[in-house]
Parts: sequence; structure tokens; C-alpha cells
Amino acid sequence: GAGVSQSPSNKVTEKGKDVELRCDPISGHTALYWYRQSLGQGLEFLIYFQGNSAPDKSGLPSDRFSAERTGGSVSTLTIQRTQQEDSAVYLCASSLVYPGLAGASTDTQYFGPGTRLTVL
Amino acid sequence: AQSVTQPDIHITVSEGASLELRCNYSYGATPYLFWYVQSPGQGLQLLLKYFSGDTLVQGIKGFEAEFKRSQSSFNLRKPSVHWSDAAEYFCAVGAPGGYQKVTFGIGTKLQVIP
Repeated sequence: GAGVSQSPSNKVTEKGKDVELRCDPISGHTALYWYRQSLGQGLEFLIYFQGNSAPDKSGLPSDRFSAERTGGSVSTLTIQRTQQEDSAVYLCASSLVYPGLAGASTDTQYFGPGTRLTVL
Repeated sequence: AQSVTQPDIHITVSEGASLELRCNYSYGATPYLFWYVQSPGQGLQLLLKYFSGDTLVQGIKGFEAEFKRSQSSFNLRKPSVHWSDAAEYFCAVGAPGGYQKVTFGIGTKLQVIP
């Protein structure tokens, strides 16, 4: 079946411009994550959506970053007034969330191929 | 909130040698634990996961990991490393219940030499 898709695969922009990155999760996956991976760095958590709950935005590095998830499916990460330090690969992942005795828990994350953002 | 530590940023092993990548977590109860691998130019792929039951978990590509509650560890092992195992490995911890996000470690980059 279809996996997580992200678009565009590459984006080159000029400093100060706004960019939008798109993520299409696996159908039926209620959890969606955005991460940033800079050159030589690990995974930096940005934001987490789970169903209709308020998103966990604790990883967003500044108010220039925002994300939304429409209809519990497609998500868009927007970076306003891009800076050179925003250059990185932006990864999206989705997962199932299943109920348990102690509450719901997320399962394996399936990652998209990423969007490589270059800010000149 | 849970956290995870991967103390080794880089590890170099010879092809055919055994491998152990360390992962320590912080969580008040038994967490959900994952190992992911990212090969050069590739996306992240799940190697194995532990939710409950047998503390020795088998994964793909000949990897295994052992959950040790007393040490708060979930180390990844492979008895004989192949050149194709060169990649970055990420340990992750999830908290059962509460819809909490999964937290990743910073990763360990594995280099395999002939």
C-alpha cells in the first residue's frame, strides 16, 4: 500500500520567503509527526498531531514555524520569513494509535522521504 | 516526560565483528521502545520494537535488542556486522497511554571498516 508521501522533495528558496511543506500520511493513521534533520544532526522533533487533540507544538523552534492538519489527514508545515539556518531535511511520519488499558499509545512510525529545504 | 540517551555519537567496527549500540531511557514505568535505522540517502526504517513480554526482541537484518528494566536500557546488538549495516541508528521511547509523543535519541552513526 501507499506509504507516507511528502512534497516537494526539494525546495530552494531565498532568505525571507515563506515556504510550505506538505505531508500525506498513511490512510487511517491518526498520529502525525514533523521532524527536522540538519546536516550531521539527529532528529529534532517539531510538532505532533493526534486525532482531534490539540497538537503538541513544543518542538517548534520559533513563531516563524507553524503547522496544521486538515481533516485529520494531510498536514502542511509552514515556515515564514525563512532564514539560512532553516536549511535542513524536514521529515514527516505517521503512525497508528491504539487504545489500551492505560490509554492510547502510538505504534511504529512510518517516515516519508523528506523534503530537503535550502535557503539561500 | 520520557527521554532517551544514546551515549555514542560515532562507532566504528570491523566487518564481521560484533556490535552493540547503547540506549538508555528515562521513564517512570515500562515504556515502549524502538530502534530505527537510517541508511545513507534513505528514510528511517523500523528495526525492532518492544512493547511487553519477552525482553529479548528480534528484528530485521539480524538485529536484536534486550530490554533491561534494572538498567533502563535497550541496547541493540548484532553478532556479525556487514558493510551494508553502515548507517545511523536511532533509539526511541514512547509512553504507554496518554497519547504522548515518541521521543528519539540523537542517533549513533555506525561506520564499518573492511
